[in-house]
Amino acid sequence: EPEVTQTPSHQVTQMGQEVILRCVPISNHLYFYWYRQILGQKVEFLVSFYNNEISEKSEIFDDQFSVERPDGSNFTLKIRSTKLEDSAMYFCASSERGMGYEQYFGPGTRLTVT
Amino acid sequence: LAKTTQPISMDSYEGQEVNITCSHNNIATNDYITWYQQFPSQGPRFIIQGYKTKVTNEVASLFIPADRKSSTLSLPRVSLSDTAVYYCLVGDDSNYQLIWGAGTKLIIKP
Repeated sequence: EPEVTQTPSHQVTQMGQEVILRCVPISNHLYFYWYRQILGQKVEFLVSFYNNEISEKSEIFDDQFSVERPDGSNFTLKIRSTKLEDSAMYFCASSERGMGYEQYFGPGTRLTVT
Repeated sequence: LAKTTQPISMDSYEGQEVNITCSHNNIATNDYITWYQQFPSQGPRFIIQGYKTKVTNEVASLFIPADRKSSTLSLPRVSLSDTAVYYCLVGDDSNYQLIWGAGTKLIIKP
């Protein structure tokens, strides 16, 4: 069964540093997403990406964040100048159709900012 | 954007049928209802999706009344491994910002 993969599984970084979280969506999917989940809290939508551009973004997704699809397979989330409160699980997801339909989530990257 | 309301937590026992109800009073005409399951430290996993009436797959059933203002996820004969958080979401292609509520924490006891 095809699956979404994410690397690294755990990233530790110092406050103020930049991190890039990587995702490989399912190959025939057209819609890509990033979510965040702070430990013990609910899943929070960050951004959706379709046709090589951002479709929608939440209030959380400010200038500190950016996404990119650098090639035909990878989908990345860049977080600049990390803050302690950026520590969370970051999930990538993809779907064949739009956001209201079945999304396949990756295993997540645990980001720890120290 | 349709907001959903679910019980914060539920307990049940192995072998029982569990029903989790979600309220979505302002669901739009084009919205689908989707349920996800999440285990600790894992990404959410799609369980089932429906628009109206009843949908059944190999793991669950989804009951949606005619007014679509609520839905019920039914898990038949649960086991300990069904202990997880269950999220109800509503939306369609135009609702890119799906709102995730707190979900229902289901605990299955032996």
